[in-house]
Amino acid sequence: AQKVTQAQTEISVVEKEDVTLDCVYETRDTTYYLFWYKQPPSGELVFLIRRNSFDEQNEISGRYSWNFQKSTSSFNFTITASQVVDSAVYFCALTPETGGYNKLIFGAGTRLAVHP
Amino acid sequence: DTGVSQNPRHKITKRGQNVTFRCDPISEHNRLYWYRQTLGQGPEFLTYFQNEAQLEKSRLLSDRFSAERPKGSFSTLEIQRTEQGDSAMYLCASRRSGVDTQYFGPGTRLTVL
Repeated sequence: AQKVTQAQTEISVVEKEDVTLDCVYETRDTTYYLFWYKQPPSGELVFLIRRNSFDEQNEISGRYSWNFQKSTSSFNFTITASQVVDSAVYFCALTPETGGYNKLIFGAGTRLAVHP
Repeated sequence: DTGVSQNPRHKITKRGQNVTFRCDPISEHNRLYWYRQTLGQGPEFLTYFQNEAQLEKSRLLSDRFSAERPKGSFSTLEIQRTEQGDSAMYLCASRRSGVDTQYFGPGTRLTVL
Protein backbone atom coordinates (compact mmCIF):
# COMPACT_ATOMS: atom_id res chain seq x y z
CA ALA A 1 0.00 0.00 0.00
CA GLN A 2 1.04 3.59 -0.62
CA LYS A 3 -0.09 5.66 2.33
CA VAL A 4 0.74 8.70 4.46
CA THR A 5 -0.37 8.99 8.06
CA GLN A 6 -0.44 12.21 10.04
CA ALA A 7 -1.68 11.09 13.41
CA GLN A 8 -1.97 14.56 14.90
CA THR A 9 -5.23 16.11 13.77
CA GLU A 10 -4.80 19.41 15.60
CA ILE A 11 -2.02 21.01 17.61
CA SER A 12 -2.33 24.19 19.63
CA VAL A 13 0.73 26.05 20.91
CA VAL A 14 1.60 29.44 22.29
CA GLU A 15 3.86 31.70 20.26
CA LYS A 16 7.60 30.98 20.59
CA GLU A 17 7.04 27.33 21.47
CA ASP A 18 8.70 24.67 19.32
CA VAL A 19 6.35 22.22 17.65
CA THR A 20 6.90 18.96 15.74
CA LEU A 21 4.47 17.62 13.17
CA ASP A 22 4.69 13.88 12.62
CA CYS A 23 4.48 12.06 9.29
CA VAL A 24 4.71 8.30 8.73
CA TYR A 25 4.56 6.83 5.25
CA GLU A 26 4.19 3.42 3.61
CA THR A 27 5.42 2.46 0.17
CA ARG A 28 6.67 -0.61 -1.65
CA ASP A 29 8.95 1.50 -3.83
CA THR A 30 12.63 1.95 -3.03
CA THR A 31 12.70 5.26 -4.86
CA TYR A 32 10.24 7.95 -3.86
CA TYR A 33 9.96 11.58 -2.86
CA LEU A 34 8.47 13.12 0.25
CA PHE A 35 7.00 16.60 0.55
CA TRP A 36 5.57 19.03 3.04
CA TYR A 37 2.99 21.61 1.99
CA LYS A 38 1.37 24.39 4.02
CA GLN A 39 -2.29 25.34 3.49
CA PRO A 40 -3.17 28.69 5.07
CA PRO A 41 -6.82 29.75 5.44
CA SER A 42 -6.77 31.15 1.90
CA GLY A 43 -6.67 27.55 0.67
CA GLU A 44 -3.64 27.50 -1.60
CA LEU A 45 -1.13 24.71 -0.98
CA VAL A 46 2.32 26.20 -0.52
CA PHE A 47 5.32 23.97 -1.19
CA LEU A 48 7.82 23.79 1.68
CA ILE A 49 10.27 20.97 0.99
CA ARG A 50 11.01 17.93 -1.16
CA ARG A 51 13.31 15.04 -0.18
CA ASN A 52 14.25 11.93 -2.13
CA SER A 53 14.44 8.50 -0.59
CA PHE A 54 18.22 8.33 -0.88
CA ASP A 55 18.91 11.54 0.99
CA GLU A 56 18.43 11.13 4.73
CA GLN A 57 20.25 14.28 5.66
CA ASN A 58 18.24 16.52 7.92
CA GLU A 59 17.48 19.93 6.51
CA ILE A 60 17.09 23.30 8.15
CA SER A 61 15.59 26.39 6.58
CA GLY A 62 15.28 29.28 8.97
CA ARG A 63 12.89 28.26 11.74
CA TYR A 64 11.88 25.10 9.84
CA SER A 65 13.68 21.76 10.04
CA TRP A 66 12.93 18.31 8.74
CA ASN A 67 14.01 14.91 10.05
CA PHE A 68 13.85 12.03 7.57
CA GLN A 69 14.39 8.51 8.95
CA LYS A 70 13.94 5.60 6.54
CA SER A 71 14.31 3.09 9.38
CA THR A 72 11.04 4.29 10.88
CA SER A 73 9.47 5.53 7.61
CA SER A 74 9.06 8.97 9.10
CA PHE A 75 9.52 12.49 7.80
CA ASN A 76 8.85 14.86 10.68
CA PHE A 77 8.68 18.64 10.52
CA THR A 78 9.71 20.96 13.34
CA ILE A 79 8.96 24.65 13.65
CA THR A 80 11.21 26.42 16.12
CA ALA A 81 9.97 29.50 17.95
CA SER A 82 6.53 29.32 16.36
CA GLN A 83 4.73 32.46 15.24
CA VAL A 84 1.07 33.29 14.69
CA VAL A 85 1.72 33.34 10.93
CA ASP A 86 2.60 29.64 11.13
CA SER A 87 -1.06 28.85 11.83
CA ALA A 88 -2.23 26.65 8.95
CA VAL A 89 -2.91 23.07 7.96
CA TYR A 90 0.27 21.19 7.10
CA PHE A 91 0.27 18.22 4.75
CA CYS A 92 2.88 15.55 4.29
CA ALA A 93 2.84 13.83 0.89
CA LEU A 94 4.52 10.95 -0.90
CA THR A 95 5.13 10.39 -4.60
CA PRO A 96 6.46 6.94 -5.46
CA GLU A 97 8.44 5.95 -8.52
CA THR A 98 5.54 3.71 -9.54
CA GLY A 99 3.52 5.85 -11.93
CA GLY A 100 6.42 8.12 -12.74
CA TYR A 101 6.21 10.31 -9.66
CA ASN A 102 2.95 11.74 -10.96
CA LYS A 103 0.58 11.07 -8.12
CA LEU A 104 0.93 12.87 -4.82
CA ILE A 105 -0.47 10.84 -1.94
CA PHE A 106 -1.36 13.13 0.93
CA GLY A 107 -1.91 12.58 4.61
CA ALA A 108 -5.02 13.98 6.24
CA GLY A 109 -3.11 17.01 7.48
CA THR A 110 -2.33 18.55 10.86
CA ARG A 111 -4.00 21.81 11.80
CA LEU A 112 -1.58 24.01 13.73
CA ALA A 113 -2.90 26.91 15.77
CA VAL A 114 -0.33 29.31 17.20
CA HIS A 115 -1.76 31.65 19.80
CA PRO A 116 -0.23 34.98 20.83
CA ASP B 1 7.07 33.21 -12.65
CA THR B 2 3.34 33.62 -12.63
CA GLY B 3 1.85 30.90 -10.46
CA VAL B 4 -0.95 28.47 -11.21
CA SER B 5 -4.28 30.25 -11.51
CA GLN B 6 -7.78 28.83 -11.22
CA ASN B 7 -11.19 30.27 -12.06
CA PRO B 8 -13.65 30.72 -10.59
CA ARG B 9 -12.47 30.72 -6.98
CA HIS B 10 -15.94 29.90 -5.71
CA LYS B 11 -18.93 28.29 -7.38
CA ILE B 12 -22.34 27.68 -5.89
CA THR B 13 -24.71 25.60 -7.96
CA LYS B 14 -27.90 23.63 -7.61
CA ARG B 15 -27.95 19.86 -7.76
CA GLY B 16 -28.25 18.62 -11.30
CA GLN B 17 -26.53 21.59 -12.94
CA ASN B 18 -23.29 21.36 -14.90
CA VAL B 19 -20.20 23.29 -13.84
CA THR B 20 -16.84 23.93 -15.48
CA PHE B 21 -13.60 25.02 -13.84
CA ARG B 22 -10.50 26.36 -15.51
CA CYS B 23 -6.82 25.98 -14.60
CA ASP B 24 -3.92 27.91 -16.11
CA PRO B 25 -0.60 26.26 -15.22
CA ILE B 26 2.83 27.84 -14.90
CA SER B 27 3.79 28.57 -18.48
CA GLU B 28 6.72 26.19 -18.99
CA HIS B 29 5.09 23.29 -17.10
CA ASN B 30 3.96 20.49 -19.40
CA ARG B 31 2.29 18.38 -16.71
CA LEU B 32 -1.01 19.39 -15.15
CA TYR B 33 -2.87 17.71 -12.29
CA TRP B 34 -6.34 17.88 -10.78
CA TYR B 35 -7.04 16.99 -7.14
CA ARG B 36 -10.14 17.10 -4.98
CA GLN B 37 -10.09 18.03 -1.32
CA THR B 38 -13.04 17.53 1.01
CA LEU B 39 -13.33 19.12 4.42
CA GLY B 40 -10.77 17.86 6.90
CA GLN B 41 -8.98 15.65 4.39
CA GLY B 42 -5.88 15.86 2.27
CA PRO B 43 -6.16 16.36 -1.48
CA GLU B 44 -6.90 13.25 -3.55
CA PHE B 45 -5.59 12.74 -7.05
CA LEU B 46 -8.16 12.86 -9.85
CA THR B 47 -6.27 12.98 -13.15
CA TYR B 48 -3.21 14.33 -14.93
CA PHE B 49 -2.08 15.51 -18.35
CA GLN B 50 1.24 15.49 -20.09
CA ASN B 51 0.87 18.22 -22.67
CA GLU B 52 -2.59 17.57 -24.17
CA ALA B 53 -2.69 13.84 -23.38
CA GLN B 54 -4.67 12.67 -20.36
CA LEU B 55 -2.47 9.86 -19.03
CA GLU B 56 -4.16 8.71 -15.85
CA LYS B 57 -7.59 8.95 -14.26
CA SER B 58 -8.47 8.00 -10.71
CA ARG B 59 -11.43 5.78 -9.90
CA LEU B 60 -12.75 8.85 -8.08
CA LEU B 61 -13.39 10.41 -11.48
CA SER B 62 -16.87 9.15 -12.29
CA ASP B 63 -18.47 9.33 -15.74
CA ARG B 64 -19.95 12.69 -14.80
CA PHE B 65 -16.47 14.20 -14.66
CA SER B 66 -14.46 15.12 -17.73
CA ALA B 67 -11.19 16.96 -18.04
CA GLU B 68 -9.51 18.41 -21.09
CA ARG B 69 -6.32 20.18 -22.00
CA PRO B 70 -6.87 20.83 -25.71
CA LYS B 71 -3.73 22.76 -26.60
CA GLY B 72 -1.47 21.58 -23.85
CA SER B 73 -1.82 24.84 -21.97
CA PHE B 74 -4.90 25.53 -19.81
CA SER B 75 -7.19 22.75 -18.65
CA THR B 76 -10.89 22.52 -17.86
CA LEU B 77 -12.68 20.20 -15.48
CA GLU B 78 -16.39 19.73 -16.07
CA ILE B 79 -18.84 18.08 -13.73
CA GLN B 80 -22.19 17.15 -15.21
CA ARG B 81 -25.39 16.67 -13.21
CA THR B 82 -23.75 17.80 -9.99
CA GLU B 83 -24.57 16.03 -6.73
CA GLN B 84 -24.20 17.26 -3.17
CA GLY B 85 -21.31 14.85 -2.71
CA ASP B 86 -19.36 16.81 -5.34
CA SER B 87 -19.05 19.72 -2.91
CA ALA B 88 -15.30 20.12 -2.36
CA MET B 89 -12.25 22.19 -3.18
CA TYR B 90 -10.88 21.37 -6.63
CA LEU B 91 -7.15 21.98 -6.83
CA CYS B 92 -4.97 22.21 -9.90
CA ALA B 93 -1.21 21.76 -9.91
CA SER B 94 1.51 21.81 -12.54
CA ARG B 95 5.13 20.79 -12.89
CA ARG B 96 7.90 20.33 -15.42
CA SER B 97 8.98 16.97 -16.83
CA GLY B 98 11.38 14.76 -14.94
CA VAL B 99 11.32 14.72 -11.20
CA ASP B 100 9.99 18.00 -10.03
CA THR B 101 7.69 19.58 -7.52
CA GLN B 102 3.99 20.11 -8.17
CA TYR B 103 2.93 23.71 -7.59
CA PHE B 104 -0.67 24.32 -6.70
CA GLY B 105 -3.21 26.96 -7.60
CA PRO B 106 -5.62 28.58 -5.13
CA GLY B 107 -8.39 26.10 -5.87
CA THR B 108 -12.05 26.35 -6.81
CA ARG B 109 -14.45 25.76 -3.97
CA LEU B 110 -17.64 24.11 -5.22
CA THR B 111 -20.83 24.09 -3.19
CA VAL B 112 -23.74 22.05 -4.50
CA LEU B 113 -27.08 22.94 -2.90
